[in-house]
Amino acid sequence: SAVISQKPSRDICQRGTSLTIQCQVDSQVTMMFWYRQQPGQSLTLIATANQGSEATYESGFVIDKFPISRPNLTFSTLTVSNMSPEDSSIYLCSVEGTGSNEQFFGPGTRLTVL
Amino acid sequence: GNSVTQMEGPVTLSEEAFLTINCTYTATGYPSLFWYVQYPGEGLQLLLKATKADDKGSNKGFEATYRKETTSFHLEKGSVQVSDSAVYFCALSDWTGGFKTIFGAGTRLFVKA
Repeated sequence: SAVISQKPSRDICQRGTSLTIQCQVDSQVTMMFWYRQQPGQSLTLIATANQGSEATYESGFVIDKFPISRPNLTFSTLTVSNMSPEDSSIYLCSVEGTGSNEQFFGPGTRLTVL
Repeated sequence: GNSVTQMEGPVTLSEEAFLTINCTYTATGYPSLFWYVQYPGEGLQLLLKATKADDKGSNKGFEATYRKETTSFHLEKGSVQVSDSAVYFCALSDWTGGFKTIFGAGTRLFVKA
């Protein structure tokens, strides 16, 4: 299993600003994932972040809006840029359990954009 | 591409009732199937999983069987408790085109005492 922490746990931001969310894992992992969970909705994959390479973004998500860093095997950041109220959501960091295909999730960052 | 469809909620049951939440999937490869649960105010956690056809995953009284012939992975519990009130997500993972997990829309369960 993996223990994942995220910072901040929640934030309220103004339109047009940016927020960087941090994700820390207690063990080295190859792949880290960033999801968005809009109110009352399911999880939508934003991107997959591998250490040492560019993140792979899903359809509908672009690097300019959601830049991701992956400096080492235990840490990643997701930035939500030029925010609008439509970005209000929970952002979740996740890792794959080595060889198990199951995923472990962080507690999430609840973002509200005014 | 891969997809997961699960029954819409909310589902409201009385304590000790039988629970079924339907889940069907489409996949081009050989996926693993999962049920994740999100209790109120908590993060997402794995409930059970099955990695190949005819496997049965079980945990906390919940069961689901990987049915390849019907492409289904229905979640069942014989007697629900108030503490089972949560949102349940069916999901599949595979390595086709790179590792990815696809989640269903989620089904909210309310259990009344």
